[in-house]
Amino acid sequence: SQQGEEDPQALSIQEGENATMNCSYKTSINNLQWYRQNSGRGLVHLILIRSNEREKHSGRLRVTLDTSKKSSSLLITASRAADTASYFCATDAGTASKLTFGTGTRLQVTL
Amino acid sequence: DADVTQTPRNRITKTGKRIMLECSQTKGHDRMYWYRQDPGLGLRLIYYSFDVKDINKGEISDGYSVSRQAQAKFSLSLESAIPNQTALYFCATSDSPGGHNEQFFGPGTRLTVL
Repeated sequence: SQQGEEDPQALSIQEGENATMNCSYKTSINNLQWYRQNSGRGLVHLILIRSNEREKHSGRLRVTLDTSKKSSSLLITASRAADTASYFCATDAGTASKLTFGTGTRLQVTL
Repeated sequence: DADVTQTPRNRITKTGKRIMLECSQTKGHDRMYWYRQDPGLGLRLIYYSFDVKDINKGEISDGYSVSRQAQAKFSLSLESAIPNQTALYFCATSDSPGGHNEQFFGPGTRLTVL
């Protein structure tokens, strides 16, 4: 079963705009991670936020985590066409170090 | 300079055939994983291994088997392929828990079972 569900399923924005995608999960976690997948390719790790952290930044990425609501958001600022990809959240619940992935958000950034 | 490689990259086979997908890594990681990806379902864990002598089932292991031949090699087999095993398959690796379990993915194998 999926631990995480992402919202929206698809998002289309223009270059320069900000993109926000959300992830909800069901159980307690050790950390939550975001990955990017370009069409048909392997996933690439973007950022990790621990359960005791509330916000984290990496370049144009900003991740927030609300453990009371079991939710996280990924903000990509000043989006570029190259940001077009699918984005997945993944939770590490501390169970044998397995990750459980959400269903993903497809982001389309147009010129 | 890929750290995690998968072979083959694409495979078309027929129902009932035995198929092996191979994964190799040069990252020196102990932990290796096999996932399948279906449209709209994200990634689901098939099997995972924490070292050569440790193999564990994931959430969808039925119809699959694995072999960890060495620290660097982890193979996935479909003993008798069926059409609903048509999917994109990914191998991934991670370091021991000190690395917070960030995973590194191979490029994927697109498998079609006719």
